[in-house]
Amino acid sequence: ILNVEQSPQSLHVQEGDSTNFTCSFPSSNFYALHWYRWETAKSPEALFVMTLNGDEKKKGRISATLNTKEGYSYLYIKGSQPEDSATYLCAFNDYKLSFGAGTTVTVRA
Amino acid sequence: SQTIHQWPATLVQPVGSPLSLECTVEGTSNPNLYWYRQAAGRGLQLLFYSVGIGQISSEVPQNLSASRPQDRQFILSSKKLLLSDSGFYLCAWVPGTGGTEAFFGQGTRLTVV
Repeated sequence: ILNVEQSPQSLHVQEGDSTNFTCSFPSSNFYALHWYRWETAKSPEALFVMTLNGDEKKKGRISATLNTKEGYSYLYIKGSQPEDSATYLCAFNDYKLSFGAGTTVTVRA
Repeated sequence: SQTIHQWPATLVQPVGSPLSLECTVEGTSNPNLYWYRQAAGRGLQLLFYSVGIGQISSEVPQNLSASRPQDRQFILSSKKLLLSDSGFYLCAWVPGTGGTEAFFGQGTRLTVV
């Protein structure tokens, strides 16, 4: 079973603060790294698909970086808002598309 | 445009009864297809994936099986459900060429009683 690790498991952020969290994955057989925003019992919403080492992507206040050589990706949320509260999943795509356990973000007003 | 249909949305089944969840994709061909289950503290647990008709890979030994009788149809089955099979199941697809996001069905909430 492929090990896709996310840390921390959960975090609490004050509204307006910025935060970041990590996804680590095997550095071999890399094809793509995905990030999703997920609310339990709903369909995950895609944020980014990253394929190249050194990729940096941005969507509004959320951005992500990718290091395929060392096997990690960071997701950043700038100026957190209550609507950013969700679980953020990363997935390693080597055709199996294996997900990490997620980082649950709670933004306090 | 591509769409994915997953049904039923909710299902209540007695222990020992069979199960069939269906997922179909429209607007694409030769997709990679996936079945996931939401597992407590484990995010989305990959159950099965398929890169072509009749090709099924199982990730976790369990009471479930999967089949892909047609290019855009993926079925999750069980002959006899266990209480532990209760959960939220998601079907997903990724273009066979890869490089893009996964598209998910709406999910099935299965309760085994």
